[in-house]
Amino acid sequence: GQQVMQIPQYQHVQEGEDFTTYCNSSTTLSNIQWYKQRPGGHPVFLIQLVKSGEVKKQKRLTFQFGEAKKNSSLHITATQTTDVGTYFCAGRVETSYDKVIFGPGTSLSVIP
Amino acid sequence: KAGVTQTPRYLIKTRGQQVTLSCSPISGHRSVSWYQQTPGQGLQFLFEYFSETQRNKGNFPGRFSGRQFSNSRSEMNVSTLELGDSALYLCASSLLRQQETQYFGPGTRLLVL
Repeated sequence: GQQVMQIPQYQHVQEGEDFTTYCNSSTTLSNIQWYKQRPGGHPVFLIQLVKSGEVKKQKRLTFQFGEAKKNSSLHITATQTTDVGTYFCAGRVETSYDKVIFGPGTSLSVIP
Repeated sequence: KAGVTQTPRYLIKTRGQQVTLSCSPISGHRSVSWYQQTPGQGLQFLFEYFSETQRNKGNFPGRFSGRQFSNSRSEMNVSTLELGDSALYLCASSLLRQQETQYFGPGTRLLVL
């Protein structure tokens, strides 16, 4: 079936280091969304990418959508303790049912 | 504008019982999606309701059902609870359909004993 995978599952970084999580789909996606969930919290929308090769930036966060629209990445420059949480990608699959499939998430820990 | 609200926030039930969870979307939002979140399985899509109709359904047994009212509020019901149903149940609302930005509620944490 259609799947969205994310790697790595966990990442521990020293504060100030960079961090990247990758999202890969088994099928072409119409768009991809990224969410952040803080420990004990609920997912919060970060951004949506629609176009092939699209790159968007939010301060220290850079989001990229692959040319084939099957993968995406989130890169955080100079991590801070406020970046701690789980980052989920969610891809929209263009089928007759138009489903949104969430990846399993990457859990980021930042060591001060 | 008020966010997505879910009630109750915490619930303890025993095996075999049934439970009803409620979700009030952001005012004006017409789509409500439900997700089950567990440490091992991540976010699993249950179903999406739009204009009182179920539009999409995930791979969950028939014990999981839902409905949406004319004011877009939604309820989710789980019958004959099993231990494995213990999870955080999240609902998310979107302006039109699930494919747009989803705004999540705080969730209902269900513990089945």
